[in-house]
Amino acid sequence: EPEVTQTPSHQVTQMGQEVILRCVPISNHLYFYWYRQILGQKVEFLVSFYNNEISEKSEIFDDQFSVERPDGSNFTLKIRSTKLEDSAMYFCASRTALGQETYEQYFGPGTRLTVT
Amino acid sequence: RKEVEQDPGPFNVPEGATVAFNCTYSNSASQSFFWYRQDCRKEPKLLMSVYSSGNEDGRFTAQLNRASQYISLLIRDSKLSDSATYLCVVSSGGGADGLTFGKGTHLIIQP
Repeated sequence: EPEVTQTPSHQVTQMGQEVILRCVPISNHLYFYWYRQILGQKVEFLVSFYNNEISEKSEIFDDQFSVERPDGSNFTLKIRSTKLEDSAMYFCASRTALGQETYEQYFGPGTRLTVT
Repeated sequence: RKEVEQDPGPFNVPEGATVAFNCTYSNSASQSFFWYRQDCRKEPKLLMSVYSSGNEDGRFTAQLNRASQYISLLIRDSKLSDSATYLCVVSSGGGADGLTFGKGTHLIIQP
């Protein structure tokens, strides 16, 4: 069964450093998403991406964040200057565009980001 | 502000029992509804979509009440492996729309 993959599984970085989180969505999916989950809190939407551009972003997704699809398979989230409060689990998700009736998103295993 | 509210639990239920969860959502424009389950420190996994007519998948039954803006999940003949956090999730239904998650209801099935 195809699945979303993410690397690394755990990233430790110092405050102020840049990090890039990587995702490989399911191969025939066309919509890509990033979410985060701070420990003990709910999953929060960050950004959606379709047709090589951002479709929607939340208020969390400020100028410190950027996304990119550098090639035909990878989807990345960059945090330019990490803060302590960026420590969270970051999930990538993807969705097929086949049929407007299906909006099911499938999640990767996540990257645990720890900012020290 | 779009919100999804759930009873956090925990629900402690003996194996074999039936358990029901509800959630309410605030955005009346929501079009798509889901239940995901999340095991400790793992990713959310899609359990089922929820349709207006209600739907069933094995031991799981989901119902949607658009007028009252609530969604329910019923688990029959619960098993130890059902222990998890159940996340109520809604979307406005647009192609690129992000999902709005509830905080989840923690379920513990006891032997």
